Amino acid sequence: DTGVSQDPRHKITKRGQNVTFRCDPISEHNRLYWYRQTLGQGPEFLTYFQNEAQLEKSRLLSDRFSAERPKGSFSTLEIQRTEQGDSAMYLCASSLGQLSNQPQHFGDGTRLSIL
Amino acid sequence: AQSVTQLDSQVPVFEEAPVELRCNYSSSVSVYLFWYVQYPNQGLQLLLKYLSGSTLVKGINGFEAEFNKSQTSFHLRKPSVHISDTAEYFCAVSDHGIDAGGTSYGKLTFGQGTILTVHP
Repeated sequence: DTGVSQDPRHKITKRGQNVTFRCDPISEHNRLYWYRQTLGQGPEFLTYFQNEAQLEKSRLLSDRFSAERPKGSFSTLEIQRTEQGDSAMYLCASSLGQLSNQPQHFGDGTRLSIL
Repeated sequence: AQSVTQLDSQVPVFEEAPVELRCNYSSSVSVYLFWYVQYPNQGLQLLLKYLSGSTLVKGINGFEAEFNKSQTSFHLRKPSVHISDTAEYFCAVSDHGIDAGGTSYGKLTFGQGTILTVHP
């Protein structure tokens, strides 16, 4: 069990630029989640994959955000035309199984700073 | 919709003293409850979970929590804290939302967090 891996750990970019983050879940985990955490707050759900299918998206996920999990393994989260309000920690989590009681294992996150 | 309220944003305590971090939730259905810990610049690590059965659950690092359905609470406790317990703690509930595939997908709703600071 090598844990959930996220890359990069930090990203600094100018407003208006596009950014892409990568998440590698625990290898046998079929479920993958993205959350966003702003300063002083708990994480907020963004989207969820079961294998390669994106089955749920939060209203927080505007049209500028897109997520993929092309082969049911790693996932990418892209933000287009970044805005100041996108500055946050983006967390990825994975879990195994079909039930909502399975614990989610989190990566260390990607911290995005918009200049 | 579900919500989680952590009643204390910061809890200072001296080393070897007991501590309780309070969590209340609201839900119209049965829930699964979790406590996570987050150290600076790191992700979240699961401390413990309540799924069903005994209302007192034990987790890692000497933490335990008690589920109280009538008070909709899930308070976290430790009888004697260490300096290394200094971190931010999050209470979370698992949403029983059903995804497009008809499966319960387990979205977590988190509280705002409680910063525990242990002083020597």
